[in-house]
Amino acid sequence: AQTVTQSQPEMSVQEAETVTLSCTYDTSESDYYLFWYKQPPSRQMILVIRQEAYKQQNATENRFSVNFQKAAKSFSLKISDSQLGDAAMYFCAYRSPNNNDMRFGAGTRLTVKP
Amino acid sequence: ETGVTQSPTHLIKTRGQQVTLRCSSQSGHNTVSWYQQALGQGPQFIFQYYREEENGRGNFPPRFSGLQFPNYSSELNVNALELDDSALYLCASSWGGRRYNEQFFGPGTRLTVL
Repeated sequence: AQTVTQSQPEMSVQEAETVTLSCTYDTSESDYYLFWYKQPPSRQMILVIRQEAYKQQNATENRFSVNFQKAAKSFSLKISDSQLGDAAMYFCAYRSPNNNDMRFGAGTRLTVKP
Repeated sequence: ETGVTQSPTHLIKTRGQQVTLRCSSQSGHNTVSWYQQALGQGPQFIFQYYREEENGRGNFPPRFSGLQFPNYSSELNVNALELDDSALYLCASSWGGRRYNEQFFGPGTRLTVL
């Protein structure tokens, strides 16, 4: 079964600085999807960025980018120019195209210091 | 465009009772997935409904059941509540069943079992 591991329970970053959140996963599949979700105190999960495993190019969405290393099964999230509104829980998630079970990691709590 | 809504926001029940949680999917979506998020953990997939049929199930006992209506809204029912059922219950709507499409999450229902 696929598992997702986030080894950093908490991270902090100074406003305007850059921070990288780590995620590793275990799978025997060659095709899959990876996601980073943000969950602010309001509890509503918001999709930050997604990556299709067959695409070699790393996904980028404005200040958010990923470093996808398929062979190493690593999927880190880089947040550039951190803003106070980036403070939240961040979850890494894996989804197989063959089923509907999205697997989430345990999350990383990001604090942004002014 | 109306987003995903859930009701109620909070709920307190006692062990052994039954509970029904509700989810209204985003306009145009025909798929609803339910997740359980225990405190300090990532969400765990309960099941998915696509066009009123169960379309995948996670590792949850049969006392967790669901329903999807013709308007694609959904209910999650939990019978014989246990203390460990205390969690945030998230629903997410999307379009297309097994095919990949972005899931849009609701704000969740916080269930406390005493």
